[in-house]
Amino acid sequence: ENVLTQSPGTLSLSPGERATLSCRASQSVSSSYLAWYQQKPGQAPRLLIYGASIRATGIPDRFSGSGSGTDFTLTISRLEPEDFAVYYCQQYGSSPRYIFGQGTKLEIK
Amino acid sequence: EVQLVESGGGLVKPGGSLRLSCAASGFTFSNAWMSWVRQAPGKGLEWVGRIESKPDGGTTDYAAPVKGRFTISRDDSKNTLYLQMNSLKTEDTAVYYCSTIITGTPAFDYWGQGTLVTVSS
Repeated sequence: ENVLTQSPGTLSLSPGERATLSCRASQSVSSSYLAWYQQKPGQAPRLLIYGASIRATGIPDRFSGSGSGTDFTLTISRLEPEDFAVYYCQQYGSSPRYIFGQGTKLEIK
Repeated sequence: EVQLVESGGGLVKPGGSLRLSCAASGFTFSNAWMSWVRQAPGKGLEWVGRIESKPDGGTTDYAAPVKGRFTISRDDSKNTLYLQMNSLKTEDTAVYYCSTIITGTPAFDYWGQGTLVTVSS
């Protein structure tokens, strides 16, 4: 069973700074099958990136995804106040079909 | 505009049953692959199960913790997705979200607002 490990657990940054979030898989993942989500308190998750680097509809271009194999990264180029949230990576595999990382909390410094 | 509205959550005793519904609108539901994802209080996201569109076979697939206890079904005439939950355990306590799966890529693009299921005696 593949395991997704996100780091850091919590990231403290200021608006305007650059955020780099990591997602590491215990087994190689097809880039087509890696997605990122944002979740704010009391809200449903929102798809940001799929296929490792494709922005979902309506997602600002300050969000970008990259990586391959076992190492993937979500980068937010310049943090806006509304970007402080929890971020999850997600992978599609064989069993279980869909796995989420444990999340990275991006908080205001 | 795509809308997914879950209902049916509530308080149930361990060993009990509950059926959740997800009413869909704003897209061609019959062609969509659909999924349930849950989130225990203060915890991360956990995939529950998936159902393919009927044109693609209508197959269901479940996560190990719920296999044999939960059943996903769909009524395309009513644009509604269901999650039948039997033999509920305290660890099934969570907000349950329904979501669509992007055609051709296994990402969850639209999500409902969620419905809370609490399993407690």
